[in-house]
Amino acid sequence: AQKITQTQPGMFVQEKEAVTLDCTYDTSDPSYGLFWYKQPSSGEMIFLIYQGSYDQQNATEGRYSLNFQKARKSANLVISASQLGDSAMYFCATSTIQGAQKLVFGQGTRLTINP
Amino acid sequence: DTEVTQTPKHLVMGMTNKKSLKCEQHMGHRAMYWYKQKAKKPPELMFVYSYEKLSINESVPSRFSPECPNSSLLNLHLHALQPEDSALYLCASSQDGQEQFFGPGTRLTVL
Repeated sequence: AQKITQTQPGMFVQEKEAVTLDCTYDTSDPSYGLFWYKQPSSGEMIFLIYQGSYDQQNATEGRYSLNFQKARKSANLVISASQLGDSAMYFCATSTIQGAQKLVFGQGTRLTINP
Repeated sequence: DTEVTQTPKHLVMGMTNKKSLKCEQHMGHRAMYWYKQKAKKPPELMFVYSYEKLSINESVPSRFSPECPNSSLLNLHLHALQPEDSALYLCASSQDGQEQFFGPGTRLTVL
């Protein structure tokens, strides 16, 4: 069974500051993927970044980076130089990495960027 | 084309109605998914189609009936729904082992 825990229901950050959203996971799969999605108020889930369990380096995508600490089972999302448009709900998720995936999401963190 | 489209955007239906939600992707993805998302909750997986065959059914009530007519299309047929089925229904697609791309969703209200 897989489980994602996001312990921060809400976060408030000043524009241009960096922000870290916490995510811990639990899985019995030997190979797995970790994902972060952004969901604005419009409802669409936007893929941000992916980390495979066997990847040696932390994933980065523009202003997004994933701080992957396998021994601690954590996969925190770091957003550098936050912008007003970053205000949204953020979900961490995990799945197996073979075949069709069953994504399991955490409860999410609502991020608000203040001007 | 890196887009998943869903129609309609909004749907209001009575408990005796029959309606369908539609999802389409042209990215050549061979896996397609339906999720249900209640307000202030994460999405919950309902169905997975892999190579046009149903591979996962998360014990969804039979009033929800999925259909995959071809590799680009995914439908969700709705019949005799309950008010508690009101939610955002999200469709997604992916290549094997890759990230899922989501559509904008259909906001369903059952009266």
